[in-house]
Amino acid sequence: DQQVKQNSPSLSVQEGRISILNCDYTNSMFDYFLWYKKYPAEGPTFLISISSIKDKNEDGRFTVFLNKSAKHLSLHIVPSQPGDSAVYFCAARPRLGFRGSQGNLIFGKGTKLSVKP
Amino acid sequence: DSGVTQTPKHLITATGQRVTLRCSPRSGDLSVYWYQQSLDQGLQFLIQYYNGEERAKGNILERFSAQQFPDLHSELNLSSLELGDSALYFCASSALQGENGGYTFGSGTRLTVV
Repeated sequence: DQQVKQNSPSLSVQEGRISILNCDYTNSMFDYFLWYKKYPAEGPTFLISISSIKDKNEDGRFTVFLNKSAKHLSLHIVPSQPGDSAVYFCAARPRLGFRGSQGNLIFGKGTKLSVKP
Repeated sequence: DSGVTQTPKHLITATGQRVTLRCSPRSGDLSVYWYQQSLDQGLQFLIQYYNGEERAKGNILERFSAQQFPDLHSELNLSSLELGDSALYFCASSALQGENGGYTFGSGTRLTVV
């Protein structure tokens, strides 16, 4: 059963436009949500996170929005740049101690973003 | 360089064999996590260690085992390998609880079972 879902395997955006990557989760046991970026032949790199008690977090061109009632979060990249082309993973951390959780993250399958010049 | 070192980067082996993947965490990090990424799959959590002790288990097969040594490096042992074990294996490390809830990944070991 997939607890963190990224329903779009790929997304193509023009340079300078906004990229919106989406992620859904299935229950309310998560206390942190994170986005990671992955280039080929490299490990995932942490991008931005948001606590479950907030609804928005911004860091430069990257903003994450959390809609708890819809169990949905999104990553906005504005403006998109060709260097942003990568696979983006959404991840969620269960509350510590919940069903034995010790901080291990649960990941979605990723969305491949292509930013065209 | 993320500070998390994984060796080897690539490994090709035959079915039925056993391999060991090694991970050195970022300096100061006590937690080590192992993840598997198969084709078209997300990152599947395998196992977590903290300061030498196993803390959490995910979807780890009985043929797989891991340990964390006193110097905090970790090894993932995969035995009786099957074709389906071909995947990218990532190690990550963290302080017990980072402020942002996340952790740092190594660049992975690509295992190919033939």
